[in-house]
Amino acid sequence: DAGITQSPRYKITETGRQVTLMCHQTWSHSYMFWYRQDLGHGLRLIYYSAAADITDKGEVPDGYVVSRSKTENFPLTLESATRSQTSVYFCASKRPRPGELFFGEGSRLTVL
Amino acid sequence: AQSVTQPDIHITVSEGASLELRCNYSYGATPYLFWYVQSPGQGLQLLLKYFSGDTLVQGIKGFEAEFKRSQSSFNLRKPSVHWSDAAEYFCAVGAAAGNKLTFGGGTRVLVKP
Repeated sequence: DAGITQSPRYKITETGRQVTLMCHQTWSHSYMFWYRQDLGHGLRLIYYSAAADITDKGEVPDGYVVSRSKTENFPLTLESATRSQTSVYFCASKRPRPGELFFGEGSRLTVL
Repeated sequence: AQSVTQPDIHITVSEGASLELRCNYSYGATPYLFWYVQSPGQGLQLLLKYFSGDTLVQGIKGFEAEFKRSQSSFNLRKPSVHWSDAAEYFCAVGAAAGNKLTFGGGTRVLVKP
């Protein structure tokens, strides 16, 4: 089915471990985004990508790394997870301006 | 920098009653405005969007929103709420010339039977 899928949907890890959240879209949208959702903060942009091999920081990029070797994939890596990175992470994609974002179902990450 | 404020964190409404969710934005140029809904455990779904033209915008699920430039507002309304409207609602603003969206903190709606 066409759409945007995230994996894993749920992940529990320990402080200091590396975690990678995967995002795959089937629309060939050029733009992809990673947001985190926290109570009281809404959604905050972590990183985004305008095309393959082009990425840029968002509002809260510290502690995260992204890559985009293929248009359809946009993984988010926490190189050394911290408790403050416990959150729900949403991947989204869109066509070039103007237009809305299309969201995945989210990945709930707990860092113990 | 652009920003979005949703003043109401929680709203409780009776089924069949009307609903209005407030959204105020700060942006220096012509904004693109969006309302998204998030059901529990789900991603965000677009309800409606405003780019230009008629300031009253119709969306899915019987929702509408009105853009008021003078008040920097984009409030969401529904005349008669259904139990399935219980969810969290997010207002977002984007630049006409850009691709990033800035989201408000969200308003959680509870529907009483």
